[in-house]
Amino acid sequence: GDQVKQSPSALSLQEGTNSALRCNFSIATTTVQWFLQNPRGSLMNLFYLVPGTKENGRLKSTFNSKESYSTLHIRDAQLEDSGTYFCAADNAGAKLTFGGGTRLTVRP
Amino acid sequence: EAAVTQSPRNKVAVTGGKVTLSCNQTNNHNNMYWYRQDTGHGLRLIHYSYGAGSTEKGDIPDGYKASRPSQENFSLILELATPSQTSVYFCASGEKGAGNTLYFGEGSRLIVV
Repeated sequence: GDQVKQSPSALSLQEGTNSALRCNFSIATTTVQWFLQNPRGSLMNLFYLVPGTKENGRLKSTFNSKESYSTLHIRDAQLEDSGTYFCAADNAGAKLTFGGGTRLTVRP
Repeated sequence: EAAVTQSPRNKVAVTGGKVTLSCNQTNNHNNMYWYRQDTGHGLRLIHYSYGAGSTEKGDIPDGYKASRPSQENFSLILELATPSQTSVYFCASGEKGAGNTLYFGEGSRLIVV
């Protein structure tokens, strides 16, 4: 819900271009996770983040705990990157709070 | 690779009936979760568990019960199903010691008529 706010809610990219998704947190957040839900509905973990940056292939994610936000950068977008991206905040308990998601469409 | 299996994958239930959604994980994770996903709401936490015998209320527990009889199994129970519980339900497991990275099942689509 509003405790974890994702933007934009939807995004259309030309294949080969770059973009960034953002999560803002209004709850205490110690770690962040990013997930991709593919068009078939399966959810896949992309990143687990403590404050700092991680990179994996064409994806790079940063968690800034002082300013309470996280970003996911997609470089050279491919058709298979299409789906809905979710971030989730963990406040050091077992409970994760999810944002509303960003629906990404990559166009050929 | 984590393996979380949900059953049934699809279910049509009548209003007032009892529905049990089952989840099994083979990763020996302590934490397990039930989320529901609805358009416009993302994923919302219903119940979760720290281990066998433990169940905790999530953000939207009303109308749901949970049961964790063993490390591997975590069930979500709708004693009196209502049409507002029509949704897609996801089970997940995670391990605190490994950063609690969540592994999700494939989802269970429930329609209450």
